[in-house]
Amino acid sequence: AQKVTQAQTEISVVEKEDVTLDCVYETRDTTYYLFWYKQPPSGELVFLIRRNSFDEQNEISGRYSWNFQKSTSSFNFTITASQVVDSAVYFCALSAYAGNNRKLIWGLGTSLAVNP
Amino acid sequence: KAGVTQTPRYLIKTRGQQVTLSCSPISGHRSVSWYQQTPGQGLQFLFEYFSETQRNKGNFPGRFSGRQFSNSRSEMNVSTLELGDSALYLCASSLESGFHEQYFGPGTRLTVT
Repeated sequence: AQKVTQAQTEISVVEKEDVTLDCVYETRDTTYYLFWYKQPPSGELVFLIRRNSFDEQNEISGRYSWNFQKSTSSFNFTITASQVVDSAVYFCALSAYAGNNRKLIWGLGTSLAVNP
Repeated sequence: KAGVTQTPRYLIKTRGQQVTLSCSPISGHRSVSWYQQTPGQGLQFLFEYFSETQRNKGNFPGRFSGRQFSNSRSEMNVSTLELGDSALYLCASSLESGFHEQYFGPGTRLTVT
């Protein structure tokens, strides 16, 4: 079965705090892709990152960083020095084959509130 | 560059009716995917079209169908609407098939009464 679990439903931090959003996935596929998307209050989902299953290097983009660990089936997302504009719902997603069909399975999202 | 546009933005239908939603992708994008978003189930993948062919499909019943035209515009149709079909329907476009970086539209809010 393919599954994405984002155990943290809501997180609230104060501006400038670091925050990590957890994502745990399940798949039997050996070639899969992991994603993070952001959905701000305005509503439109925004792509943040795509990572394939063969690339376990951590990635950093400005204040954002991602830690991919196949051993624990996790793809965690850290925001350093959070800002109010980071307030949004963050979704982790998995693209993997089920039969001869590739699907995109989403976690339920983590709602992040960054307070001034 | 214009973003992904979806029409209509809001729709109210009665149970048993059918509805067609439209999505215009970013110019040059050939892949269009459709998603249903509800508070209870979250985001669920419906299907993906690339170059007028359905490439990938989620686990929705046959009442949900789609198509893509030669200009990459896509439509999604839901027949025999049920109350549970009330949701935000999102469309996303990308250059390639297979869930590469996707750009999402604002969605169509469908309410079934």
